[in-house]
Amino acid sequence: LAKTTQPISMDSYEGQEVNITCSHNNIATNDYITWYQQFPSQGPRFIIQGYKTKVTNEVASLFIPADRKSSTLSLPRVSLSDTAVYYCLVGGVDTGRRALTFGSGTRLQVQP
Amino acid sequence: ETGVTQTPRHLVMGMTNKKSLKCEQHLGHNAMYWYKQSAKKPLELMFVYNFKEQTENNSVPSRFSPECPNSSHLFLHLHTLQPEDSALYLCASSPRRGPENIQYFGAGTRLSVL
Repeated sequence: LAKTTQPISMDSYEGQEVNITCSHNNIATNDYITWYQQFPSQGPRFIIQGYKTKVTNEVASLFIPADRKSSTLSLPRVSLSDTAVYYCLVGGVDTGRRALTFGSGTRLQVQP
Repeated sequence: ETGVTQTPRHLVMGMTNKKSLKCEQHLGHNAMYWYKQSAKKPLELMFVYNFKEQTENNSVPSRFSPECPNSSHLFLHLHTLQPEDSALYLCASSPRRGPENIQYFGAGTRLSVL
């Protein structure tokens, strides 16, 4: 399984763009990169998924360089409600169909 | 609203009690999961079911007993729990088993074992 490394915590202010980078040096050819968001006492919520280059949806963008050894989740103009834990998961068919393990994630604190 | 419903939302039980947690999804998914999240710890995957068949059991103590009668329902039967089992128990579902499949989580059951 591809091991991921993310910062433990980040601080930002309302209206700023936040970029959270995840390192996954041993990502396999068929692995996807998926990000989830979790608020306290709630289940994680899917944010975005990508395989290569750039993916954008209504809430975030995901940037993946050509070597795919890292990825960056970009949250434009964060608000207080974006305060949460963000998880980066990497895996695909090469993991033997086993479910992924959630790591410690990145705790984002947005200040007014 | 994710389409995954867990009941009850809160549960307090003694160490000698028997209780069950219920999870229901009507998303047409075929894989369902149980996770445990203790305070300030990462999510721990407990069980995975795919088309009603258990495909993963991550060394979970036998006092936790899962049941999946159909692809829409998942239960976690609890008996003789310990105080350290107090945690948020989360259920998730995905279209199929496999890490590339997006998981949809319920709101969880907050369990307290006295």
